[in-house]
Amino acid sequence: ELKVEQNPLFLSMQEGKNYTIYCNYSTTSDRLYWYRQDPGKSLESLFVLLSNGAVKQEGRLMASLDTKARLSTLHITAAVHDLSATYFCAVVSGAGSYQLTFGKGTKLSVIP
Amino acid sequence: EPEVTQTPSHQVTQMGQEVILRCVPISNHLYFYWYRQILGQKVEFLVSFYNNEISEKSEIFDDQFSVERPDGSNFTLKIRSTKLEDSAMYFCASSEGIGTAGRRVYEQYFGPGTRLTVT
Repeated sequence: ELKVEQNPLFLSMQEGKNYTIYCNYSTTSDRLYWYRQDPGKSLESLFVLLSNGAVKQEGRLMASLDTKARLSTLHITAAVHDLSATYFCAVVSGAGSYQLTFGKGTKLSVIP
Repeated sequence: EPEVTQTPSHQVTQMGQEVILRCVPISNHLYFYWYRQILGQKVEFLVSFYNNEISEKSEIFDDQFSVERPDGSNFTLKIRSTKLEDSAMYFCASSEGIGTAGRRVYEQYFGPGTRLTVT
């Protein structure tokens, strides 16, 4: 059974600081997704990482994937209040699958 | 920008009643999904649908659940006899499947969700 673990689950950080959210998964997978969810809202797609060593950046967020370590990171640079949200990573169950298995999410609060 | 839409936004029903949740996926997408999120918990996969049939389903998706694409645009999730534990936010999602030049496009776009409350 595929397990996806995120840490930390809660993160409070000051504006301007850097931090990293970690996503570990238990079995081989060839696709990893990062989503953002604001309270009471839907999931907004941030990144899809498809290969070992993949790195994608959008604004203050950068995601990377190490398939050998079964680890993805979401790095936040110089956080701003607007980044406050819950961030989920999700992994597909196997080759040819489209079923996403989600982590529990990291609730990020950026304090002015 | 095209988006996934869902109706209703909130549905309240009594235990044992049937409910149908509706979704309109993005028009050129080929793969459709239902997920659910119990309040404060993680998102859970229910089912994926491609070429007019179920391609994958989870253990949650038992005989009480069914999906249908009744026409060229709608994608529905039916819960036959709702239980209290079915109360959750239900999200529909879609993905393109095959992009330009035959390149697979895996990104899944989520709709705004239907909050189902079973009393």
